[in-house]
Amino acid sequence: GAVVSQHPSRVICKSGTSVKIECRSLDFQATTMFWYRQFPKKSLMLMATSNEGSKATYEQGVEKDKFLINHASLTLSTLTVTSAHPEDSSFYICSARVPTGGVYEQYFGPGTRLTVT
Amino acid sequence: EDQVTQSPEALRLQEGESSSLNCSYTVSGLRGLFWYRQDPGKGPEFLFTLYSAGEEKEKERLKATLTKKESFLHITAPKPEDSATYLCAVYTGGFKTIFGAGTRLFVKA
Repeated sequence: GAVVSQHPSRVICKSGTSVKIECRSLDFQATTMFWYRQFPKKSLMLMATSNEGSKATYEQGVEKDKFLINHASLTLSTLTVTSAHPEDSSFYICSARVPTGGVYEQYFGPGTRLTVT
Repeated sequence: EDQVTQSPEALRLQEGESSSLNCSYTVSGLRGLFWYRQDPGKGPEFLFTLYSAGEEKEKERLKATLTKKESFLHITAPKPEDSATYLCAVYTGGFKTIFGAGTRLFVKA
């Protein structure tokens, strides 16, 4: 299967600062990547769809100015949480899709635990 | 509106006690159904893709089946290491894959 990595796996930052999370497809090119947020014992919440070379598409209710997404290459998408606040603390997971047999399978990264103090 | 519902929300089994998890879907045009396993604090791990009704896929103690309205993930003689959250998701085309809320499986030794 396709491999997706995320960095960092854990990050602690102070309120008001910004933090960047990287998502890389290691053995394939990903024209489309997705960013999810997950609260404890809850399912995945899609935040945005990131397409290489174009602006991300954000889901309703997600602040595009707070969660900046850049998909500058076919193997890298970044999520920057700007002016972070404690309520932004969460588990962030990226995924990339791979065309397989007429459908697009999604492969996920290991996730990034963000804690804002 | 396209919808994916998983049941039960949580399932507790004794080691060796086989059971099934359910994923029912209401979508306009299924192109593929996926099953994932997610361990606490990790990203979902891809398990299977099913494309059409009647299809079955197996991997170790897991067997996924698909009908026109639902999919089952059968777990045969589970072990404690099978404890995880199992997610199902449906792809109907375009950019969206719709995820269910998951079933949390606990297997006790």
